[in-house]
Amino acid sequence: QVQLTQSGPEVKKPGASVKVSCKASGYTFTDHGVTWVRQAPGQGLEWVGWTTAYNDNIKYSQKLQGRVTMTTDTSTSTAYMELRSLRSDDTAVYYCTRGGSPSEGYSYDYWGQGTLVTVSS
Amino acid sequence: DVVMTQSPLSLAVTLGQPASISCRSSQSLVYSDGNNYLHWFQQRPGQSPRRLLYMVSKRDSGVPDRFSGSGSGTDFTLKISRVEAEDVGIYYCMQGTHWPPDTFGQGTKLEIK
Repeated sequence: QVQLTQSGPEVKKPGASVKVSCKASGYTFTDHGVTWVRQAPGQGLEWVGWTTAYNDNIKYSQKLQGRVTMTTDTSTSTAYMELRSLRSDDTAVYYCTRGGSPSEGYSYDYWGQGTLVTVSS
Repeated sequence: DVVMTQSPLSLAVTLGQPASISCRSSQSLVYSDGNNYLHWFQQRPGQSPRRLLYMVSKRDSGVPDRFSGSGSGTDFTLKISRVEAEDVGIYYCMQGTHWPPDTFGQGTKLEIK
């Protein structure tokens, strides 16, 4: 069965960096893109960015452009999302998702369990 | 970016009664291929979101047929024909037509009355 297993919670100080991992299993990693979505405490969902599994085409949120980097490792079927210069408003649960098929509009058919990133001094 | 507006933001429904959630977009979601890239997600308390419906009305595997979606252009609706206790949670619409970015509605919280 398809699974996206994310790394554990992180607590960081303002200005620091965090790197969240998302290990895919149960499907051919290179057949689907990966989108990252975040959710601040008690808030809605926010698109962070998307990458192909080969990491040869990447799109970032304009809001986070310059601070976020998405990478993949096809040898381990793992996607990574690094966020730098962390601020308190980056505190959120970060989800990785799998992009569905073209007939599904590439929408997110599987989600990771989420990684809570807390930014606090 | 396309703004997605859901209403109501919360609703309390008696078990067995219907529920309806509206989702409006600031631009038409009809893509050049004629499709509306509008999807619905459910987030149960303490869980990750999961996709319920894609491309307006197509149900994901395992989603009960009491969930249905309709609409085109800028107006879309998610309907639950008979609400059950397991339907409690927050529902989000999301557009992928004008991407990047994908944009979400604010979410509609469904509770049992």
